[in-house]
Amino acid sequence: QVQLVQSGAEVKKPGASVKVSCKSSGYSFTNYAIYWMRQAPGQRLEWMGWINAGNGITKYSQRFQGRVTFTRDTSASTAYMELRSLRSEDTAVYYCAKVGNSDEFDPWGQGTLVTVSS
Amino acid sequence: SSELTQDPAVSVALGQTVRITCQGDSLRNYYASWYQQKPGQAPLLVFYGENNRPSGIPARFSGSSSGNTASLSITGTQAEDEADYYCSSRDNTVNHVEFGGGTKLTVL
Repeated sequence: QVQLVQSGAEVKKPGASVKVSCKSSGYSFTNYAIYWMRQAPGQRLEWMGWINAGNGITKYSQRFQGRVTFTRDTSASTAYMELRSLRSEDTAVYYCAKVGNSDEFDPWGQGTLVTVSS
Repeated sequence: SSELTQDPAVSVALGQTVRITCQGDSLRNYYASWYQQKPGQAPLLVFYGENNRPSGIPARFSGSSSGNTASLSITGTQAEDEADYYCSSRDNTVNHVEFGGGTKLTVL
């Protein structure tokens, strides 16, 4: 079955960077984009951007432009999200999701908790 | 960018029908997708597009759209349907995505 498995929880200090991985299986990785979202405690889901897993083209939300980078390794069917200059407000669960033909996100990864604390 | 608005909380009696709504200008141009999220879990797609329910999602979940409002209906609500429900759609800036604020569904 189609599955996305993310890397484990991270604890980072303010100013540091974090890199979250999202390993895909059960479908042709390069045929779909991977979207990244995050959810701060008690907050709504927030879209961060996407990467076309086939050609590597990316699109970032303006909120994160300049601080986030999406990459992918097609040989490993894995997408990555790197967020730099972390601050306490970046404490959240970060999700990856495969996008379908009707802009639906299915499935989602299990989420990666990133905690930013001094 | 547009904004999607949902009622923060809705309650329904066990076995009854509930409608969860999502309003936003982008919904005049794009269909909504609906996600169920239970505590500590990732969102789960329950309905999307004009009339699509993913495999494994019970038939009691259905969706509709009119003007700037999309709706998710649950007919014969079960206790396990208690969760947060989020809508999403493209916004009016191509290639961007918006999420609603979420509706907490309580099953009485």
